[in-house]
Amino acid sequence: EAQVTQNPRYLITVTGKKLTVTCSQNMNHEYMSWYRQDPGLGLRQIYYSMNVEVTDKGDVPEGYKVSRKEKRNFPLILESPSPNQTSLYFCASSQYGRETRSYEQYFGPGTRLTVT
Amino acid sequence: AQSVTQLDSQVPVFEEAPVELRCNYSSSVSVYLFWYVQYPNQGLQLLLKYLSGSTLVKGINGFEAEFNKSQTSFHLRKPSVHISDTAEYFCAVTVFQGGKLIFGQGTELSVKP
Repeated sequence: EAQVTQNPRYLITVTGKKLTVTCSQNMNHEYMSWYRQDPGLGLRQIYYSMNVEVTDKGDVPEGYKVSRKEKRNFPLILESPSPNQTSLYFCASSQYGRETRSYEQYFGPGTRLTVT
Repeated sequence: AQSVTQLDSQVPVFEEAPVELRCNYSSSVSVYLFWYVQYPNQGLQLLLKYLSGSTLVKGINGFEAEFNKSQTSFHLRKPSVHISDTAEYFCAVTVFQGGKLIFGQGTELSVKP
């Protein structure tokens, strides 16, 4: 089954304790990204990756890092989490469709992070 | 830069009534438009998308949306809603490059019996 998986699904942590949220897709997609969802703000892109070893900042990258060493994995790293990073995080992957001339993104189930 | 505005944060409606969720966008270039649905405690699911061609787009679960270029709108409609349609709905746009989606703030649809 084609899917995007994230782990963990729920995480409560304390300020300053480094954490990693994993994201994996089994569709051989080149494009992957991370979004955070906050009430009243919708989803905002944190980082994206066009392919292995190619990453770039989205709209809200401060406090986050990513890496893309393999095509299927795109972990999100919070080196020193702070309470304002409490949010719902979504990983997404997509491939450019020549017929549709667009990217259709497939979303993971989300990771709810609480930083106290 | 692109932006998306969903004009209603909450829409309460009775079961079997029609519903319209409004979405306006701003962009200086052509965009592709999407509606996603998020059921409670779940991820996002694509409802429908407009890429080109007919301005009336039909999606899953009986939803449809109409692209209006002059009014820069992409409103979502359903003629008769069910309790199971209770969810949050997001309008989003993207341009060709990069595939980044710009989301609206979301509209909570609450269907009451």
